[in-house]
Amino acid sequence: AQRVTQPEKLLSVFKGAPVELKCNYSYSGSPELFWYVQYSRQRLQLLLRHISRESIKGFTADLNKGETSFHLKKPFAQEEDSAMYYCALRNQGGKLIFGQGTELSVKP
Amino acid sequence: DTEVTQTPKHLVMGMTNKKSLKCEQHMGHRAMYWYKQKAKKPPELMFVYSYEKLSINESVPSRFSPECPNSSLLNLHLHALQPEDSALYLCASSQEPGLTYEQYFGPGTRLTVT
Repeated sequence: AQRVTQPEKLLSVFKGAPVELKCNYSYSGSPELFWYVQYSRQRLQLLLRHISRESIKGFTADLNKGETSFHLKKPFAQEEDSAMYYCALRNQGGKLIFGQGTELSVKP
Repeated sequence: DTEVTQTPKHLVMGMTNKKSLKCEQHMGHRAMYWYKQKAKKPPELMFVYSYEKLSINESVPSRFSPECPNSSLLNLHLHALQPEDSALYLCASSQEPGLTYEQYFGPGTRLTVT
């Protein structure tokens, strides 16, 4: 089965606190994993992909094949990070399979 | 031009109406997608066009009819919709289908069926 699980529907942290958005996947093969972000009233946009191993807006994500996880982390959350975050897996057919999303709320 | 544009931004239609959603990209992308997104839910894939040919239909009801008139345009024709079809309809494109290319999303059309 091809599945992406984001166990937290809502994550609320204070500004400056570390944040970790969890993502676990199920896929028989080499997964291609992404994090997408959707700010309020804005379009869905790619935040990170595992193959590029880069840091965007202070966020990083490491693929852990042993734990089948691709958690998104940021050491110091900012208020402008408040948004909906979707973890997604792309299968070999090119289809994006999204998790249910985690709403991140960063309080001042 | 590095954006996917969608028109209209908002659409209200009755269950007996016929309307169309339009999507356009001028990035030379050869794959285009329609997604449906309900509030605070992930996008659900509906259709994929690859080189102007329909390559994936995710068992979408026939009241939704996609069309790709050329490589830059993607339409979604709507007829006899139900209130539960009310959602944000997203268009996306990527340079190539099925490979490691980023999907660029449009802002969406918010559809309300009354």
